[in-house]
Amino acid sequence: KAGVTQTPRYLIKTRGQQVTLSCSPISGHRSVSWYQQTPGQGLQFLFEYFSETQRNKGNFPGRFSGRQFSNSRSEMNVSTLELGDSALYLCASSRDMGNTEAFFGQGTRLTVV
Amino acid sequence: GQNIDQPTEMTATEGAIVQINCTYQTSGFNGLFWYQQHAGEAPTFLSYNVLDGLEEKGRFSSFLSRSKGYSYLLLKELQMKDSASYLCAVRGNNFNKFYFGSGTKLNVKP
Repeated sequence: KAGVTQTPRYLIKTRGQQVTLSCSPISGHRSVSWYQQTPGQGLQFLFEYFSETQRNKGNFPGRFSGRQFSNSRSEMNVSTLELGDSALYLCASSRDMGNTEAFFGQGTRLTVV
Repeated sequence: GQNIDQPTEMTATEGAIVQINCTYQTSGFNGLFWYQQHAGEAPTFLSYNVLDGLEEKGRFSSFLSRSKGYSYLLLKELQMKDSASYLCAVRGNNFNKFYFGSGTKLNVKP
């Protein structure tokens, strides 16, 4: 059974650009959550999608957005990149909302220069 | 707001026992999770507590006291491969919204 797949693994962008990250959940999982991980702030919740609808949102500016497709794959977009957006972006999938276990992907390491 | 506190770093000796504490204050509670994260890798699920008490899983055990907003992860018979960050996470009112602590970096020395 394939795990959670995130692409790309590494990305370097310049300030002002925009970026799209992709997450393919485990087959059969319908919930995808996104997190930003930085050394200083730890893991912070960005948003969660279930059945193509955003169900929860963390405290991030509107430059951070996402969507989910009918096959449960999710994308996250960050526009007008800032240096502080450099982080590891992790997505986690679970079978349904309310499931006890979330499985994380390897993450996308974004560096903004 | 949400607040999850755990020590930043701990050091222990191979073969010993270590306890990593986590205290939390969140709006709503639907379970406390512990994850292990090796450097450069994804977090992996270790344990889940939703009722008070101790959950044992091999060398790892996790304890929860909801009235005290407190949990700990106990690692026995430490091995070098246990050197990693341990993340405490609380699921709040919205079922798939997790609040994570900053993680405790555990260094296991020979």
